[in-house]
Amino acid sequence: GAVVSQHPSWVICKSGTSVKIECRSLDFQATTMFWYRQFPKQSLMLMATSNEGSKATYEQGVEKDKFLINHASLTLSTLTVTSAHPEDSSFYICSATTGDRHQAFFGQGTRLTVV
Amino acid sequence: GQNIDQPTEMTATEGAIVQINCTYQTSGFNGLFWYQQHAGEAPTFLSYNVLDGLEEKGRFSSFLSRSKGYSYLLLKELQMKDSASYLCAVTDSNYQLIWGAGTKLIIKP
Repeated sequence: GAVVSQHPSWVICKSGTSVKIECRSLDFQATTMFWYRQFPKQSLMLMATSNEGSKATYEQGVEKDKFLINHASLTLSTLTVTSAHPEDSSFYICSATTGDRHQAFFGQGTRLTVV
Repeated sequence: GQNIDQPTEMTATEGAIVQINCTYQTSGFNGLFWYQQHAGEAPTFLSYNVLDGLEEKGRFSSFLSRSKGYSYLLLKELQMKDSASYLCAVTDSNYQLIWGAGTKLIIKP
């Protein structure tokens, strides 16, 4: 199947700093990428949907100025958590769809800990 | 609103069979997915159903009834490594994935 690479796998940062998470589709062109957040023992919560070359669509309650998403190419989307706070500590997962949108392929996830 | 229901937790015995049900109410339907997620890891794809009926893939099978808004994931010959959360997700008319909360499956020896 298609491969989505997410980096880093885990990161620890100080409160107030920014963290960038990359999501790459390695062997296909991802017209749409999704960013999810998952708190312990909870399901995936969609944060935003990004289409290549256009602005991301954020879900209600997700601050677009805090979670910056850039989808500059068909193989790369980035999520930047700005001015991170301890409550932003979570598991962030990206997924990408192929042209037919019949399946979402997931990255490995990034565990963010803000101290 | 859009809603997907699945049991929170199930327990089964190694070597047995377990069926995890999923019911959904969404704005349109463009397919139903089952994913497996081990603790601390990203979900991995198990199955995709868009037409009614049963799809078999090794020890795992998935069934869909669109008229009833119902699906199930059937796991046979359970192994300890099958202990995980199983997520049901539906793509709606906008191809947006709507996720269930997941079913935690506990396998006992």
